[in-house]
Amino acid sequence: KQEVTQIPAALSVPEGENLVLNCSFTDSAIYNLQWFRQDPGKGLTSLLLIQSSQREQTSGRLNASLDKSSGRSTLYIAASQPGDSATYLCAVLYTDKLIFGTGTRLQVFP
Amino acid sequence: SQTIHQWPATLVQPVGSPLSLECTVEGTSNPNLYWYRQAAGRGLQLLFYSVGIGQISSEVPQNLSASRPQDRQFILSSKKLLLSDSGFYLCAWSTNFQETQYFGPGTRLLVL
Repeated sequence: KQEVTQIPAALSVPEGENLVLNCSFTDSAIYNLQWFRQDPGKGLTSLLLIQSSQREQTSGRLNASLDKSSGRSTLYIAASQPGDSATYLCAVLYTDKLIFGTGTRLQVFP
Repeated sequence: SQTIHQWPATLVQPVGSPLSLECTVEGTSNPNLYWYRQAAGRGLQLLFYSVGIGQISSEVPQNLSASRPQDRQFILSSKKLLLSDSGFYLCAWSTNFQETQYFGPGTRLLVL
């Protein structure tokens, strides 16, 4: 069964800290892996997409890595800000289906 | 640029009543379209996807159905709502399965 797990489920940190969010998946035969951000009561916003042949992607203060053989991805957020507070979702694409993790709820306080 | 719309934003319905949620996409042609449900404390679950007009694939057996009457219109329906249908419903589109999906603002459904 293809499952995606995210740890931790929730995280609360002071502003300025560097963060690592973790995502693991059971089936390594992936097409790509995506990280999304979801604000409360809102839809999802795509942050980064890593193809199965890639090792990492960067966008501004965000860096996502992929280790397909071990079934893991990490999202690194540098110099966190209160505006980064949201739920971060990892999603793995298999053939024609996107499997989502349950997310990490991040709160960055001033 | 492409945009995706969902309505209504919020809906409160009694058990046994019908349901119709609408999703429309602008600025692209022949997109893949998806319906997801996000229940409280759970991840997103894919309900239906469509690769073209009239083509619907169902991922899980349930009380819901989907239709795609036009290229950029995707409708989620039910004849009789159950309490368990409550949740946050998200529509998404992509150019194909391997590209990123873009999500709408969602519809929050509460069945009482």
